[in-house]
Amino acid sequence: GAVVSQHPSWVICKSGTSVKIECRSLDFQATTMFWYRQFPKQSLMLMATSNEGSKATYEQGVEKDKFLINHASLTLSTLTVTSAHPEDSSFYICSASNRASSNSPLHFGNGTRLTVT
Amino acid sequence: ELKVEQNPLFLSMQEGKNYTIYCNYSTTSDRLYWYRQDPGKSLESLFVLLSNGAVKQEGRLMASLDTKARLSTLHITAAVHDLSATYFCAVDMRGADGLTFGKGTHLIIQP
Repeated sequence: GAVVSQHPSWVICKSGTSVKIECRSLDFQATTMFWYRQFPKQSLMLMATSNEGSKATYEQGVEKDKFLINHASLTLSTLTVTSAHPEDSSFYICSASNRASSNSPLHFGNGTRLTVT
Repeated sequence: ELKVEQNPLFLSMQEGKNYTIYCNYSTTSDRLYWYRQDPGKSLESLFVLLSNGAVKQEGRLMASLDTKARLSTLHITAAVHDLSATYFCAVDMRGADGLTFGKGTHLIIQP
């Protein structure tokens, strides 16, 4: 079945540095991918919608200049956390849908645990 | 405002018992999802419900959808310890696959 791959699984970085997270759809093309953030013991919150070939759409309260999204191909979206700070430490999860299959669930990547020190 | 309300948020139950998790949502939607999350892991898809009256079952879990009441249920039959996890319902309220999640139900099943 359809699979979404996310890399890296975990990353530790220092305050002020930038971190890039990749999300790939492995066996289908995804014109749209989604980025979520999950703080400990909380639910997932949609951050932004990544659109292939166009600008991402950000949810209210999400800083587009801090969370840069690039969706350069039909199988890859990247999220770059710029000038990371400890409050950005979280579990970041991407998802993608295979619109070729109308009954397909939205597939989620394995997530990236970001720790900013 | 887009809202997805899940209850209970925490549930401790014994093996062998039955229970239901409820998911209410605030606006019309044609897709409702149930996911399972184990500690430190991402989401595992359980069910996609696409129409009013839809019922799906997998093992000891059964999900249903009532779009008129804007309510979905996840029923657990004869619970076993392996079902201990956090369960989320999520709704696609804008028809574009970006999901609004409930707060999750932390389920502990005790032997």
